[in-house]
Amino acid sequence: KAGVTQTPRYLIKTRGQQVTLSCSPISGHRSVSWYQQTPGQGLQFLFEYFSETQRNKGNFPGRFSGRQFSNSRSEMNVSTLELGDSALYLCASQGFSNTGELFFGEGSRLTVL
Amino acid sequence: GENVEQHPSTLSVQEGDSAVIKCTYSDSASNYFPWYKQELGKRPQLIIDIRSNVGEKKDQRIAVTLNKTAKHFSLHITETQPEDSAVYFCAASRGGGNQFYFGTGTSLTVIP
Repeated sequence: KAGVTQTPRYLIKTRGQQVTLSCSPISGHRSVSWYQQTPGQGLQFLFEYFSETQRNKGNFPGRFSGRQFSNSRSEMNVSTLELGDSALYLCASQGFSNTGELFFGEGSRLTVL
Repeated sequence: GENVEQHPSTLSVQEGDSAVIKCTYSDSASNYFPWYKQELGKRPQLIIDIRSNVGEKKDQRIAVTLNKTAKHFSLHITETQPEDSAVYFCAASRGGGNQFYFGTGTSLTVIP
């Protein structure tokens, strides 16, 4: 069974640009969540999608948005990039139980210059 | 919302010694508490979890304890080995599709 796949793995942008990150969950998983990981801050929750609907949202500004497609693939977008957006963005999918293990992708490392 | 605090932020132990990482949570409705291990440059992976109807769970050298009254849970690693060196994250969730709240992580170094 293929794991969670995130693309791109690395990207460099400049302030003011926008970026779109993609996540393909494990086959059959309908829940996809996104986390921002920065040194010292741990994993901060961005949002979670289930069956194309945003079910939960963290405390991030509106510049951060996401969506989920009918095949459960998800994208997140960050507009008007700021230096502080530099981070590792992790996607995680969850199986049918919805109370159990999060399966993480390897992340997309974003550097904003 | 939920607030998960994790201590210590860094921990160094000699190989063979035990390591303990502690987390506290604020939401009494949280009922699922997983621990994730993230090796350098790799994705976080679940190593053990506990639900609120259980006080302790053990898996070989790893154990987790939960005190619902005090709202804290701990990860215990015995007979540590160099391959245990990683960042460990605790988390809390209400389950049922609710989000996970993570601690800020503990960087564990096991000195050979």
